[in-house]
Amino acid sequence: ETGVTQSPTHLIKTRGQQVTLRCSSQSGHNTVSWYQQALGQGPQFIFQYYREEENGRGNFPPRFSGLQFPNYSSELNVNALELDDSALYLCASSSGSRGVNTDTQYFGPGTRLTVL
Amino acid sequence: KNQVEQSPQSLIILEGKNCTLQCNYTVSPFSNLRWYKQDTGRGPVSLTIMTFSENTKSNGRYTATLDADTKQSSLHITASQLSDSASYICVVSAQAGTALIFGKGTTLSVSS
Repeated sequence: ETGVTQSPTHLIKTRGQQVTLRCSSQSGHNTVSWYQQALGQGPQFIFQYYREEENGRGNFPPRFSGLQFPNYSSELNVNALELDDSALYLCASSSGSRGVNTDTQYFGPGTRLTVL
Repeated sequence: KNQVEQSPQSLIILEGKNCTLQCNYTVSPFSNLRWYKQDTGRGPVSLTIMTFSENTKSNGRYTATLDADTKQSSLHITASQLSDSASYICVVSAQAGTALIFGKGTTLSVSS
């Protein structure tokens, strides 16, 4: 176990709805990254938060937004859900400095989102 | 375009046998390369991480190699076990960036 937890485990939504996914980082980690993993594909980077500020973003539209709290836990919000948003959403926590990407990222078990 | 390509896409081997998985990347400038193991429906677990100056790193029965000149890496699994059945993902990060670029993974099935 990595110490990174995510909730909920599974979620079913319909098109147009909004969803919030949650991630608790490993103790001592100040950085959280979010990834989308479609079936049979590798994870795609959504964005990263370092000490409550966004620290990099992948090629995802603005309806994907995030937040990091003072305890370094994080949320991923997706508005106006589309069928293609169906995927496993992974968060990963790490410790380090802004812009540094040599730290090991510890992944949570993921949230399986299904959009009908 | 930064890309990570893995081969083979899938592999079936008998328990106790060795295997080697390949990873080619075009990420530049290169910072580090990681191998992750992902069980079905679970998050990836880090196996190794190598920077430019490292050309081999071991973690138990897993040995990763890196050739930064040819931009190739391999993951060698020795004396495979049934529990090695999983997807193995090669991940590369560029310098001065936060994004990790994932390959699609190699699905390994170990049978008895």
